[in-house]
Amino acid sequence: GAVVSQHPSWVICKSGTSVKIECRSLDFQATTMFWYRQFPKQSLMLMATSNEGSKATYEQGVEKDKFLINHASLTLSTLTVTSAHPEDSSFYICSARDGQDSKNIQYFGAGTRLSVL
Amino acid sequence: EDKVVQSPLSLVVHEGDTVTLNCSYEVTNFRSLLWYKQEKKAPTFLFMLTSSGIEKKSGRLSSILDKKELFSILNITATQTGDSAVYLCAVDPSATSGTYKYIFGTGTRLKVLA
Repeated sequence: GAVVSQHPSWVICKSGTSVKIECRSLDFQATTMFWYRQFPKQSLMLMATSNEGSKATYEQGVEKDKFLINHASLTLSTLTVTSAHPEDSSFYICSARDGQDSKNIQYFGAGTRLSVL
Repeated sequence: EDKVVQSPLSLVVHEGDTVTLNCSYEVTNFRSLLWYKQEKKAPTFLFMLTSSGIEKKSGRLSSILDKKELFSILNITATQTGDSAVYLCAVDPSATSGTYKYIFGTGTRLKVLA
């Protein structure tokens, strides 16, 4: 149980284009999902928290117009990197928590490696 | 400011060795401490600890929490090359924050040599 699927696993795009990353909870209802960014050999940096049906809460320094987050259902959240530039190249990971489980354990997707040319 | 500190930052051992990874924390409100293993991709959940002194165990891995001294350790016995990974410690301070987000440590990079 507690499987989170993230797609795509790797994407290459041209500078100026937009890229959408999907995060799905396969066997539980994810009332809250999290989006992280990870630089090489560094820990996870939380970008934003999204609750189903409401606007995402962004961490300080994260541009909400640059990183659009949608959490329209209890099993799907999407992160869209708009007008991507080479400095947006990174490893993006989502996680989800089961709203019916009081333990607050986050389960992670496999991550998406974004390369912007 | 809430923070989680892990040590050592990196560690190289030989197969069969026993390792101890440390995680200390300072948070305003504490709900639980979690350990994750990250290989090449996403972190996988290992343990959640909420009470002092109760050891969680899974095979060769075990972990314990000391809420008085504000730290946890993760032990791996009889290490194998497959244990090579980054081990992340996270604290859930959501007892009153209500945000559910974690505070992560920087991780310990473990390499096990054959």
